[in-house]
Amino acid sequence: DSGVTQTPKHLITATGQRVTLRCSPRSGDLSVYWYQQSLDQGLQFLIQYYNGEERAKGNILERFSAQQFPDLHSELNLSSLELGDSALYFCASSARQGSFTDTQYFGPGTRLTVL
Amino acid sequence: LAKITQPISMDSYEGQEVNITCSHNNIATNDYITWYQQFPSQGPRFIIQGYKTKVTNEVASLFIPADRKSSTLSLPRVSLSDTAVYYCLVGEYGNKLVFGAGTILRVKS
Repeated sequence: DSGVTQTPKHLITATGQRVTLRCSPRSGDLSVYWYQQSLDQGLQFLIQYYNGEERAKGNILERFSAQQFPDLHSELNLSSLELGDSALYFCASSARQGSFTDTQYFGPGTRLTVL
Repeated sequence: LAKITQPISMDSYEGQEVNITCSHNNIATNDYITWYQQFPSQGPRFIIQGYKTKVTNEVASLFIPADRKSSTLSLPRVSLSDTAVYYCLVGEYGNKLVFGAGTILRVKS
């Protein structure tokens, strides 16, 4: 158990819909990272927040957005969903200033299925 | 951006040493090399990280030559429970972070 929690574990929805994925980092960790893992794309970094502020952006679509709240939990919002958005979405957290040299602890993931 | 290449899969037997090599020809000066392990239906788990030369911890060693264009993850005396996907990760921060496609390691008895 990494100490990172993600809800829900599974999510099934239809094209065009909007969903919100939630992540709670390990106690004391200030950085949260979001990743997408699909069969044809592998692990793709989406976005990183550090202490409430966006710190780094990867291959995140404009239909996707995220935020980190004062209690440090984070939400990833996916809108206008397409079939290709079906994937595992992982959240990770790290303790320090948010450099990727920090060890990241991954949550169990949310499996999103878009029908 | 670093372009990463790692073998798609490898087979080994229990008790053997396994070496997985990752190629990252255009690694940047500030980039670190990190390896993660992932079991089915679980998030990746940190194994080891290095910048140059050799790094060793309780589960693995990481060898990085002087030119840093490749790195080798060494798992001593693997067991069945080491069957997993191993990802090489290169980057420092931001969108310069790049994951390899992963190497499926199958350990047989």
